[in-house]
Amino acid sequence: DAGVIQSPRHEVTEMGQEVTLRCKPISGHDYLFWYRQTMMRGLELLIYFNNNVPIDDSGMPEDRFSAKMPNASFSTLKIQPSEPRDSAVYFCASSWGTGKYAQYFGPGTRLTVL
Amino acid sequence: AQTVTQSQPEMSVQEAETVTLSCTYDTSESDYYLFWYKQPPSRQMILVIRQEAYKQQNATENRFSVNFQKAAKSFSLKISDSQLGDAAMYFCAYRSPPLNRDDKIIFGKGTRLHILP
Repeated sequence: DAGVIQSPRHEVTEMGQEVTLRCKPISGHDYLFWYRQTMMRGLELLIYFNNNVPIDDSGMPEDRFSAKMPNASFSTLKIQPSEPRDSAVYFCASSWGTGKYAQYFGPGTRLTVL
Repeated sequence: AQTVTQSQPEMSVQEAETVTLSCTYDTSESDYYLFWYKQPPSRQMILVIRQEAYKQQNATENRFSVNFQKAAKSFSLKISDSQLGDAAMYFCAYRSPPLNRDDKIIFGKGTRLHILP
C-alpha cells in the first residue's frame, strides 16, 4: 500500500506569495494531522481532522494559515501571504482511529520563503 | 497538559554496542499510549515501537525494546547491536486515550543518535 503522499517535496517562494501544500492520507485512515518542524521549535501540531472535519486548529500560528479536507483522500495547507519565518518542513500524517494507533507520516514538504 | 521530555539532545554509541535513549512524560491519565519514532536524514518519520500504558510487559521489536516505568512516567528506548543505519533523530511521543477530547500526539524535542564505526 502507498504511504502518505505529500506534494511538493520542496517549495521555494518569495515573501508575500501564496503557498499550497497537499496531502493524500493512507486509504482508510480517518485521522489526518498537519505538523511543522523547525530547529527552534521542534515538531508542532498545527491542525488535525477526523472524518474530514477539523477537530483542533489551536496550533495554527495565525490567520495566514488555513487547512481544508474536502474529502477523505485529500487535504491542503495554505499559507497566504507567506513570510520568511514560515520556512520549515511541513509534515502530513494519518492514522486509523485513536489511542494505540500510530500516526504514519508523509515525507514532508521543505518550504523556503525568501 | 501533557508534556514529553527528552533530556539528551545528542548521544553517540559504538557500532554493535547497546544504547538507551531516555524519555519522561507527565500526564494525569491512567490509560494512554507511548511511541518512539525515528527520523533519519531522509526526514521521513518512521514508527519504531509502541507501548500501551495498561500493559505491564515492555514492548520489543527486533533490536529495539523499551523500558516502561509507569509509576516513574519513564519510557526509554534501548537499541541493541547498534548499526550505522540506526543513526537518526529519535522522538518520544505520547498519545491520549481513545475518545479523549484532546486526541493529540505530543512529541518530545528529540535525541540525535550518532553511530560510531
